[in-house]
Amino acid sequence: DTGVSQNPRHKITKRGQNVTFRCDPISEHNRLYWYRQTLGQGPEFLTYFQNEAQLEKSRLLSDRFSAERPKGSFSTLEIQRTEQGDSAMYLCASSLSLTTGRTNTEAFFGQGTRLTVV
Amino acid sequence: AQSVTQLDSHVSVSEGTPVLLRCNYSSSYSPSLFWYVQHPNKGLQLLLKYTSAATLVKGINGFEAEFKKSETSFHLTKPSAHMSDAAEYFCVVSDRTSGTYKYIFGTGTRLKVLA
Repeated sequence: DTGVSQNPRHKITKRGQNVTFRCDPISEHNRLYWYRQTLGQGPEFLTYFQNEAQLEKSRLLSDRFSAERPKGSFSTLEIQRTEQGDSAMYLCASSLSLTTGRTNTEAFFGQGTRLTVV
Repeated sequence: AQSVTQLDSHVSVSEGTPVLLRCNYSSSYSPSLFWYVQHPNKGLQLLLKYTSAATLVKGINGFEAEFKKSETSFHLTKPSAHMSDAAEYFCVVSDRTSGTYKYIFGTGTRLKVLA
């Protein structure tokens, strides 16, 4: 399967613990995105990488959240000192940038990591 | 700033009748627009996309959408609903308003198909 892969699929953690999620994008895609989705809501943008550079972070991304994309390949999202409000589905997506124009290609999404903080 | 408004949070149709899911967008530049579908416990799947080519866009499973710049709309339609169409649908806009190519999602429309 050459789609976007996320691990783990499910994570249950105690409040105050740190968690890390991994995303493996489609291999030739240079853009990688993290989103958060809560029940009954649309995905909310968290952060975005072009190759290894983190180009934008949402205000939703508090100091407890950090994302990396070393060497422009896979990415990790770490949440420190988890809170119950962090419980959500964390989605990763990747896309291929166009060299010209202002339009954007489509993003391909992984199945997500469901985080439950107890 | 770019934004998306999905006008209906829930839509119910009978099997075999037409589907209309409404979406209005706000964008400073020529946007790219997408419709994604999310079935329960499944990932987001692209239905169709508009990226400044033909204004009437055909997608998978018989869905299509029309880009109307004057109305800032991108409504999703299907002539005849099937039970398997029951899912959550998201309208998405992307442009370079903020200098990056992020995707902004609407709040979603849950489609229910009645037998």
